[in-house]
Amino acid sequence: NAGVTQTPKFQVLKTGQSMTLQCAQDMNHNSMYWYRQDPGMGLRLIYYSASEGTTDKGEVPNGYNVSRLNKREFSLRLESAAPSQTSVYFCASSGETSGANVLTFGAGSRLTVL
Amino acid sequence: KQEVTQIPAALSVPEGENLVLNCSFTDSAIYNLQWFRQDPGKGLTSLLLIQSSQREQTSGRLNASLDKSSGRSTLYIAASQPGDSATYLCAVLDSSYKLIFGSGTRLLVRP
Repeated sequence: NAGVTQTPKFQVLKTGQSMTLQCAQDMNHNSMYWYRQDPGMGLRLIYYSASEGTTDKGEVPNGYNVSRLNKREFSLRLESAAPSQTSVYFCASSGETSGANVLTFGAGSRLTVL
Repeated sequence: KQEVTQIPAALSVPEGENLVLNCSFTDSAIYNLQWFRQDPGKGLTSLLLIQSSQREQTSGRLNASLDKSSGRSTLYIAASQPGDSATYLCAVLDSSYKLIFGSGTRLLVRP
């Protein structure tokens, strides 16, 4: 089925460990996004990639790095995890479909940093 | 810097009531505005998308309007049902293709 696939769905890390969240879309969308969602808050943009080969900081980029590996894949890396990065992370992609800009979200990745 | 605000933060209504959720944004240079629904512990489901050139979109009992010049959008839910209980989020796609979300409105429809 077409859509956005995120891995892993769940992860527990110790403070200082590193990890990469993977995201892939098969809809040929140009733009991809990484968000975090904390209890009682909306989605805050970490990084985004408006097109293949470009990445830009969002609202809360500190402590994260991203790679737009190709048009399909956009990964999010935590180099040295901190408890403040405990959150649910969502990847999304957007692109033109039948003349409308369609946004599709992944199912989310729940990260706990101890 | 684009900022998106949603009012109210939470809303509780009896079943059958019509209700309005509000979304405001600070920069009118947007490509589109979308309304999403999120159930507890789940991802986001797109409800309605309004292009910057449009004034409103309708889907079933939902109607979303957009007034770009004043930086406002409303989501109207007619004849609310308990199954409508969820968090509703609005998001704007700005001129640099950055997608910014509001903090959401938690809706509870009481039977």
